[in-house]
Amino acid sequence: GQQLNQSPQSMFIQEGEDVSMNCTSSSIFNTWLWYKQDPGEGPVLLIALYKAGELTSNGRLTAQFGITRKDSFLNISASIPSDVGIYFCAGSSTGNQFYFGTGTSLTVIP
Amino acid sequence: GAVVSQHPSRVICKSGTSVKIECRSLDFQATTMFWYRQFPKQSLMLMATSNEGSKATYEQGVEKDKFLINHASLTLSTLTVTSAHPEDSSFYICSAQAGTGAVNEQYFGPGTRLTVT
Repeated sequence: GQQLNQSPQSMFIQEGEDVSMNCTSSSIFNTWLWYKQDPGEGPVLLIALYKAGELTSNGRLTAQFGITRKDSFLNISASIPSDVGIYFCAGSSTGNQFYFGTGTSLTVIP
Repeated sequence: GAVVSQHPSRVICKSGTSVKIECRSLDFQATTMFWYRQFPKQSLMLMATSNEGSKATYEQGVEKDKFLINHASLTLSTLTVTSAHPEDSSFYICSAQAGTGAVNEQYFGPGTRLTVT
């Protein structure tokens, strides 16, 4: 299946710093989702985006649907230790089948 | 709301045997469920889309005769790994899509760790 390119692959940051990650696709998508996965668990939905240019926040998290519809961005402000985990983007052109990014592993150093 | 469960959470089986994994949407009806496979430190790979009352749609490269999917009700989909081999060892995760219309969010189960010895 299709896989999206996500960067960076991993990040090591100090507590309190802001984080940015992005996801790109060769295909145009009409839906982007961002998930966080803790080890040994299923992904948890963070933010859903449905319109090009859309900017949506969920607490300290903000995600944007790129205007080209081929990319999306996730920002985390003022990181805290519990932000540690792997973040995945997921995109769909049908609204049903979603394809996942390669993941960004985030480590927050207290 | 939007809770998805999976059973079992972990299973160890011998090579050549079959294993059934259940995925249930606990507080909503899911006309569509999805099955993913995730190898260590890798992303989720979509295996198949499961629609209630109809045959599952498999992604390219996924053997439908090896990974049998049954979506018998709006709250239950099962994945059976037939004649399992060590290379089938992986983390299998299901997700359920809530309802129809514009909301295309998927909610994931906690995953099933399959180890084939």
